[in-house]
Amino acid sequence: EVQLVESGGGLVQPGRSLRLACRGSGYTFGNYAMTWVRQAPGKGLEWVGYIRNKGYGGPIEYAASVKGRFTISRDDSKNIAYLDMNSLRIEDTGMYYCTRDSGTTGPAASEVWGQGTMVTVSS
Amino acid sequence: SYELTQPLSVSVALGQTARITCGGNNIGRKDVHWYQQRPGQAPALVIYRDVNRPSGIPERFSGSNSGNTATLTISGAQPGDEADYYCQVWDSSVIFGGGTKLTVL
Repeated sequence: EVQLVESGGGLVQPGRSLRLACRGSGYTFGNYAMTWVRQAPGKGLEWVGYIRNKGYGGPIEYAASVKGRFTISRDDSKNIAYLDMNSLRIEDTGMYYCTRDSGTTGPAASEVWGQGTMVTVSS
Repeated sequence: SYELTQPLSVSVALGQTARITCGGNNIGRKDVHWYQQRPGQAPALVIYRDVNRPSGIPERFSGSNSGNTATLTISGAQPGDEADYYCQVWDSSVIFGGGTKLTVL
């Protein structure tokens, strides 16, 4: 069974950092691009960023709202994608989902979703 | 920046056909993907690249895209179809529509 499991969420103060992890299983993790999507409480979906699989290379893409503060990376030997979040703001609060992206040269459809991990930024 | 417009809510009688629209400038030239999010659950892909259904998605779900409007059609609506539905495109960034809450009466 193809599965994504996020971890690392929690309560953090504004200005601090947090690292989220997303472990994939049931498929060849390194063959697929990954995307992070977030959802503020009671709100819609917001794209965070995208990382291609190593075979295609290319830049990591970020939403304007997180560019310069968030960093996406991956460790294919561990089947894990990471989202490093720095200088966190209250408006970063929400559920963070990792997804397996069907796109290779750029973001496309998120065909598999994790269950999400909640991040709360509050003093 | 590119914007996608969805109705806040759509209601459909049990067993009837629901249509959820997603408006955007020349959206017919873009690949549109649709997601279903049931209450308390993660989203799930129901239509990709305008008209394609992932495995496991019932044939009752279909999509179309032309001009300035993409449409998700749900035939024979069931109680389990009650959910929020989001459209998505790429335009220098991934853009999601604001979401439509589908109620099955």
